[in-house]
Parts: sequence; C-alpha cells; structure tokens
Amino acid sequence: GAGVSQSPRYKVAKRGQDVALRCDPISGHVSLFWYQQALGQGPEFLTYFQNEAQLDKSGLPSDRFFAERPEGSVSTLKIQRTQQEDSAVYLCASSLGGLAGGDTYNEQFFGPGTRLTVL
Amino acid sequence: GNSVTQMEGPVTLSEEAFLTINCTYTATGYPSLFWYVQYPGEGLQLLLKATKADDKGSNKGFEATYRKETTSFHLEKGSVQVSDSAVYFCALRRGAQKLVFGQGTRLTINP
Repeated sequence: GAGVSQSPRYKVAKRGQDVALRCDPISGHVSLFWYQQALGQGPEFLTYFQNEAQLDKSGLPSDRFFAERPEGSVSTLKIQRTQQEDSAVYLCASSLGGLAGGDTYNEQFFGPGTRLTVL
Repeated sequence: GNSVTQMEGPVTLSEEAFLTINCTYTATGYPSLFWYVQYPGEGLQLLLKATKADDKGSNKGFEATYRKETTSFHLEKGSVQVSDSAVYFCALRRGAQKLVFGQGTRLTINP
C-alpha cells in the first residue's frame, strides 16, 4: 500500500522567501508528526496532530513556523521569511492510533522527507 | 527531559566483523526504545524495537536488549555485510508521543 509521501522532495529558497511543505500520511492514520533533521544530526520533533487538532507544537523553533492539518489528513508545514538556519530535511511521520492506542497503533511511519536549502 | 545519547561515529568495519553501536537514554517513566536505519537516498525505517525492560528486539540479524538498570539499548550484529552500510538512529518514545532521537551513527562496511 501507499506509504507517507512528501512534496516537494527538494526545495531551494532565497533567504526571506516563504515555503510550504506538504505531507500526505497513510490513509486512515490519525496521528501526524513533523520533524526537522539538520545535516549530520538526528531528527528533532517540531509538532504533532491528532486528526485536525494540533496537540503539541512545542518543537517549532520560532513563530515563522506554522503547521496545519485542516481536514485531518494532508498536512502543510509553512516557513515564513526563511533563514539559512532553516536549511534541513523536514520529515513527516504518521501513525494509526491516537493517544489511547497501544504500541502497534503508535508505530510511526516516515516519509522520504523534503530537503530545504535556503540560500 | 527525555534524551538519547549514541556512540560517536563514523564507524568503519570490514565485512563479517562484529558490530556494536552504543545507545544510552534518559527518560521519565518507561519508554519504548527503537533503532531506526536510514539507507543512502532512502527514508527512515524502523529496524527493531523493545517496549519493556529485558525485551530483546531483533530484525535482519540485528539485536538490541532493553536494559533498564544501565538505561541502555545497544545495537549488535554478529556478522555485518556491505549492505548494512547506513546511518543508524537510536530513539525513545513514551506512549503515543513524539520520538526522541540520538544524533545518529554512520556505519560503513568495506568488502
């Protein structure tokens, strides 16, 4: 079956531009996560949705970062006025269950990521 | 807060060598522990997991045992292959919450 897909796979932006990164989770998955992976580092949590509700945005590094999932399926991560330090791979993951689910429901499946380069 | 510390890389081994990649964690409560692998040009894939103390996760010849007394989850493989060359990430998760990753260890296996 189809996995998590992300688009675009690569994005080059000039400093100051706005960008929008899209994530299509596995169909029927309730939970959706965004992570940021800087070069040579492990992924770091940005934000979490359960259906359309954004339950945790504690990892968003600044108010230039905004995420939404208006219909509880596709999600968009928007970065306004991009800076060079925003250059990273942005990973999306989805899982079947919500907060009450068991371990199988909580397994996160990752998309291929969007590599953002800010010049 | 919760954190994961991984063995510094990169690691280079010859084919058929024994592999250990160390991972220790700090967490409140009883997290689940994971190893993820990122092959060149591919996305993150779950390699193995363990959900409680003394559990052993295994897959593709890799093993890791959840050691609560030493807060460790070291990854081992008895005989590595060139195809095992990848970046390996140790991670923890509490319930349905976010994954917390280590910094990753790049493994290169030479024929």
